[in-house]
Amino acid sequence: QSVLTQPPSVSAAPGQKVTISCSGSSSNIGNNYVSWYQQLPGTAPKLLIYDNNKRPSGIPDRFSGSKSGTSATLGITGLQTGDEADYYCGTWDSSLSVNWVFGGGTKLTVL
Amino acid sequence: EVQLVESGGGLVQPGGSLRLSCAASGFTVSSNYMSWVRQAPGKGLEWVSVIYSGGSTYYADSVKGRFTISRDNSKNTLYLQMNSLRAEDTAVYYCARYSGYDNGWYYYYYMDVWGKGTTVTVSS
Repeated sequence: QSVLTQPPSVSAAPGQKVTISCSGSSSNIGNNYVSWYQQLPGTAPKLLIYDNNKRPSGIPDRFSGSKSGTSATLGITGLQTGDEADYYCGTWDSSLSVNWVFGGGTKLTVL
Repeated sequence: EVQLVESGGGLVQPGGSLRLSCAASGFTVSSNYMSWVRQAPGKGLEWVSVIYSGGSTYYADSVKGRFTISRDNSKNTLYLQMNSLRAEDTAVYYCARYSGYDNGWYYYYYMDVWGKGTTVTVSS
């Protein structure tokens, strides 16, 4: 059971928009910045969004992030087949037992 | 180019040991927070351990007392010493660099550089 809760899967047609939620608590999302990671099949994770809503160089503006309270959301517009991947949210956790937590991951299927 | 390259994975029997290495280029390991993250077959990402730039280390409960994170500043390399290995430690192990900052109360970090991973299989 992951500390951060994500839906196991989402799907949408090419060109459409999808959102992926990430729910946590005051010790993690509520007081720290959220980042999102894209993991294409058979590859290492890649940073997609950091500081809740910033995109690293090279990440298209089709990808966006937001945070409200103890939840965060990743949005992807203009879906492409190449966006099919697993997406993970992550953040620092200020509790004593762990330093970093990930969501369980969401598999995006572009129909 | 900023890069991380892991090595040292392999097949090991339950109860055995293994040391993973993560060679960095393009930046200084000792100036950054560095982590190990693992992914069991068909499962999600699991944070394993972190070493702060100041040298403090922290571990997930699942590996505490069995794994040790360290670094060699002269080789610009991060390590993970894994002892008393169990079948449930079977995973791809990634090293990652943190970027960001904190003020002691709030933490604004993210993992911006990842290696390609090295596979550890614990089986008899």
